[in-house]
Amino acid sequence: NAGVTQTPKFRILKIGQSMTLQCTQDMNHNYMYWYRQDPGMGLKLIYYSVGAGITDKGEVPNGYNVSRSTTEDFPLRLELAAPSQTSVYFCASRTGAPSGELFFGEGSRLTVL
Amino acid sequence: DAKTTQPPSMDCAEGRAANLPCNHSTISGNEYVYWYRQIHSQGPQYIIHGLKNNETNEMASLIITEDRKSSTLILPHATLRDTAVYYCIVSGGGSNYKLTFGKGTLLTVNP
Repeated sequence: NAGVTQTPKFRILKIGQSMTLQCTQDMNHNYMYWYRQDPGMGLKLIYYSVGAGITDKGEVPNGYNVSRSTTEDFPLRLELAAPSQTSVYFCASRTGAPSGELFFGEGSRLTVL
Repeated sequence: DAKTTQPPSMDCAEGRAANLPCNHSTISGNEYVYWYRQIHSQGPQYIIHGLKNNETNEMASLIITEDRKSSTLILPHATLRDTAVYYCIVSGGGSNYKLTFGKGTLLTVNP
């Protein structure tokens, strides 16, 4: 199993551009999450999904959109990129069981100039 | 999710036990306590979790107080590679799907 795969690993955007961070998992997990981590800070939850077709906002959803058309994929869309969105983005997944551990991707480092 | 409180930083000598505390006084009866760690800018790594009883695995031990309002992660013989930010989170149970992280504890293992 590949686990949780994120692409791209690095990206530089200009202010106002849009892009999609891809996340896919091959563990048949129902729950998927997007976090962002600014330098020296903890992880902040952006959006999460409890299954295909169901998404919900986390702590910092503004400026982002998500979709969950399949169990495997959970892309994060950035519209009108701003310097404040410069961050490392982590995707994670887990089973639906209450004790299920989170599996993280390697992260996507985004810089908005 | 129940909120957690951790000290911002701790030091430990190499080879000694590292005891990392976490307060979670608002934890509900069906919520689990999880510990993760993050080394540099890598994705967080799962360490251990528990509900009521103390737990041990190859990486660490988790001690949960009887009232479940606090817990301690124990790394029995800390090495330099254990230097990382350690996160304690509580979640699980019912419709509690969110998993939110606090700022964690930066553990520095010194030679």
